[in-house]
Amino acid sequence: EDQVTQSPEALRLQEGESSSLNCSYTVSGLRGLFWYRQDPGKGPEFLFTLYSAGEEKEKERLKATLTKKESFLHITAPKPEDSATYLCAVDAGGTSYGKLTFGQGTILTVHP
Amino acid sequence: NAGVTQTPKFQVLKTGQSMTLQCAQDMNHNSMYWYRQDPGMGLRLIYYSASEGTTDKGEVPNGYNVSRLNKREFSLRLESAAPSQTSVYFCASSVRRGDQPQHFGDGTRLSIL
Repeated sequence: EDQVTQSPEALRLQEGESSSLNCSYTVSGLRGLFWYRQDPGKGPEFLFTLYSAGEEKEKERLKATLTKKESFLHITAPKPEDSATYLCAVDAGGTSYGKLTFGQGTILTVHP
Repeated sequence: NAGVTQTPKFQVLKTGQSMTLQCAQDMNHNSMYWYRQDPGMGLRLIYYSASEGTTDKGEVPNGYNVSRLNKREFSLRLESAAPSQTSVYFCASSVRRGDQPQHFGDGTRLSIL
């Protein structure tokens, strides 16, 4: 069974205090790993797709990396507007092709 | 450009009532999906439609039915609502199955008393 686990469940940072969110996955085969941002009362908003170990993607203060067992979302010098829930999901391919399995999310709060 | 539009945004039902959640996308996407999001559970796939005319079960299909009305619209029906179906429901679409990313609507918040 495909599983995705995110840690920590919640993270509080001061503005400018860099940190990382973790996404660990157990799948039969990885076709792609996805990061989404979700604001309260809204749907998930796509951030990144990673396909193979060693791949990295960046967008503003966010950088996503991928290994064979986990992915990290690094947040550099965060601002209060980065506060949101960050979701990780995998497409395991095979019989799960095109279906996303989501982690439970990390709630990030950045204080000014 | 609206993207994925879901209606209604909020709904309260009594146990045993029926309800259809509507979803429409204007991005000419082939594939559409229905998820539910519960606290501490993450999003779970209920049903998906890889293309117009096809539908398939996801992880948690029991108690739900779907209709892919045309390329733009994908509805989710609760025939006899149960309190366990209280959740936030999200519709998503992608260019085609396996062609990520999926684009999400803003959800329908459904409470069943």
